[in-house]
Amino acid sequence: GNSVTQMEGPVTLSEEAFLTINCTYTATGYPSLFWYVQYPGEGLQLLLKATKADDKGSNKGFEATYRKETTSFHLEKGSVQVSDSAVYFCALTTNTGNQFYFGTGTSLTVIP
Amino acid sequence: DAGVIQSPRHEVTEMGQEVTLRCKPISGHDYLFWYRQTMMRGLELLIYFNNNVPIDDSGMPEDRFSAKMPNASFSTLKIQPSEPRDSAVYFCASSPGGSFTATNEKLFFGSGTQLSVL
Repeated sequence: GNSVTQMEGPVTLSEEAFLTINCTYTATGYPSLFWYVQYPGEGLQLLLKATKADDKGSNKGFEATYRKETTSFHLEKGSVQVSDSAVYFCALTTNTGNQFYFGTGTSLTVIP
Repeated sequence: DAGVIQSPRHEVTEMGQEVTLRCKPISGHDYLFWYRQTMMRGLELLIYFNNNVPIDDSGMPEDRFSAKMPNASFSTLKIQPSEPRDSAVYFCASSPGGSFTATNEKLFFGSGTQLSVL
């Protein structure tokens, strides 16, 4: 079946620290992979996506590379800011369906 | 476009009462999804519609939950009777449709309804 597993939080980092949030997946068909971000009191917003193996999605300094060999899509940022404090969701969808499969979310808090 | 609009933002009710959550998707979007978010279970898909027709309701927890989409611009999620374990944030999301693997396809989320059942 289709599922996403991401590292449990919460994660607390100091400003300008390096961020990695791990995400692995299982999928039938050919998945596209996504990172969504949820800021406090808001709905989820698309952060970045990758639709095929070896693609790199990037946005706002965040990056994630679609690794088919390790079935992973880890989120990274070189220098986090306080404004990056949010919950991050890894997700997938496949070309055989029209629904998303989300991970449980990882809460990130960045302290000055 | 104003985005996906959900109402109310907050709902506090007593156990046994009926609760109705509302959603207005983005105009022109063919897909509408209802999700529930809790600390314990994360984000769960409850049901989704395509062109107002329910496609997959396997995530609806039990018969107390029902969802309708009478037209392309409105959907409701109803809980009757409500129970304390239904307390969660309920999100509605919409999508233009087609393949999510296409470059520009994604889900657009509303701000959610925070439901507390006492």
